[in-house]
Amino acid sequence: GAGVSQSPSNKVTEKGKDVELRCDPISGHTALYWYRQRLGQGLEFLIYFQGNSAPDKSGLPSDRFSAERTGESVSTLTIQRTQQEDSAVYLCASSLLRGGNYNEQFFGPGTRLTVL
Amino acid sequence: DAKTTQPNSMESNEEEPVHLPCNHSTISGTDYIHWYRQLPSQGPEYVIHGLTSNVNNRMASLAIAEDRKSSTLILHRATLRDAAVYYCILRSNFGNEKLTFGTGTRLTIIP
Repeated sequence: GAGVSQSPSNKVTEKGKDVELRCDPISGHTALYWYRQRLGQGLEFLIYFQGNSAPDKSGLPSDRFSAERTGESVSTLTIQRTQQEDSAVYLCASSLLRGGNYNEQFFGPGTRLTVL
Repeated sequence: DAKTTQPNSMESNEEEPVHLPCNHSTISGTDYIHWYRQLPSQGPEYVIHGLTSNVNNRMASLAIAEDRKSSTLILHRATLRDAAVYYCILRSNFGNEKLTFGTGTRLTIIP
C-alpha cells in the first residue's frame, strides 16, 4: 500500500554532469506525471505518461530533459549537461484514470536537485 | 487551462474556520475546480474538487459561486497541521490531464 516513491531524495551534482531521477508510482496507476518546483514557486508541468499512448512532452524546458517509462511502472527523468537553473525539486505523481474527470494525483516526496 | 487568482498569504487562528478564496473569471463550462495543498517539505496532496455544486469531504468544503467565477475552500476548524500552501487549479475534462499550478495561498495557523 505504499505511495509514490522517488529516489534519490537529494542529489548534488556539478554543472555539466548528467543526472537520473527515479519515480515508482502507485501500483496499478496508469498515468504518471513529472513536475518541477523552483524555490518559492508553484509546480511546473514537465511530462505526462498515460498507458501506451505517446507521452505529452509539452512541458520539457529543453532537449537536455528526457523521460522514459517502462510499461505502467517505473519512470526515469534524465537531465543531461545540467545547468545551475536546473536546481529545483522534481516531483512525480501518479493517478488512476477512471470514468469522468475524477483522477486525483498522488505525489511523491520529490527529489531535491542542486547543481553547483 | 484558465488562470486562477489567489491571495499570496493568509493567517488564521487555530480551531477557527478558514475561508480561502479563489477567483477564476475566465473559467469555461468544462473546467473543474480542484484544490491541492502542499505541506512543508512534501509533495502536494489532493483536497477537494467540484464543477458547479458545493462539495463536502472529510478534509474541507468547496463553495462555488453561482456564476462559477469564484470559489472558496473552507476548512471548518483549522489545526496547526493545516499550515500549508493551498493551490486552486482549473482543469478541463477534455483529456488534458496535467495540473497547472499557480503560486497558491500560504496559510499560517496561529496557535
